[in-house]
Amino acid sequence: EAGVAQSPRYKIIEKRQSVAFWCNPISGHATLYWYQQILGQGPKLLIQFQNNGVVDDSQLPKDRFSAERLKGVDSTLKIQPAKLEDSAVYLCASSPGTGLSGYTFGSGTRLTVV
Amino acid sequence: QKEVEQDPGPLSVPEGAIVSLNCTYSNSAFQYFMWYRQYSRKGPELLMYTYSSGNKEDGRFTAQVDKSSKYISLFIRDSQPSDSATYLCAVDKTSGSRLTFGEGTQLTVNP
Repeated sequence: EAGVAQSPRYKIIEKRQSVAFWCNPISGHATLYWYQQILGQGPKLLIQFQNNGVVDDSQLPKDRFSAERLKGVDSTLKIQPAKLEDSAVYLCASSPGTGLSGYTFGSGTRLTVV
Repeated sequence: QKEVEQDPGPLSVPEGAIVSLNCTYSNSAFQYFMWYRQYSRKGPELLMYTYSSGNKEDGRFTAQVDKSSKYISLFIRDSQPSDSATYLCAVDKTSGSRLTFGEGTQLTVNP
């Protein structure tokens, strides 16, 4: 079974630029999550999708972050404009439903904002 | 106050040692308790989870939960160099959807 695919693996941008990350979940997984992991900290949930609908985006900084999962499969997370404090690893995870069974993380995209 | 606080480490032990990793949480509404292992430049992978007070064992790993004191622990027996990673505790109010993580403890097991 293929895992959660994320791209790019690394990205360096200047502050105020925009950036987008892509995630392809495990086939058949209805639930998709985006987490932000700042260096030395645990992951923090940004947004949760169930199929193509948003379940929880309470911790997403909506003035600069946006995410979509249009066809209920892959997803993109965008930051516009980026700030220095957005430097982090952005992790995508997926699960068949809302439980822990099969809840799988990708390897993440490491963003550096300079 | 953070919802989950984890002993920060880093922790360095010799091979074969018993390792104890600890977290506390603040909200009694948390009912599910997880331990994740994260290797460098990889995503977290689930090691163990439980939803009740007491111990749960899986091979060399034992997870312990004390809901009365809001304290969770992970013990690793006979630690191996391959156990070197960052260990993250996580909690949830329901069954594993909106995970709240601790800050992680970096463990190094020296041969």
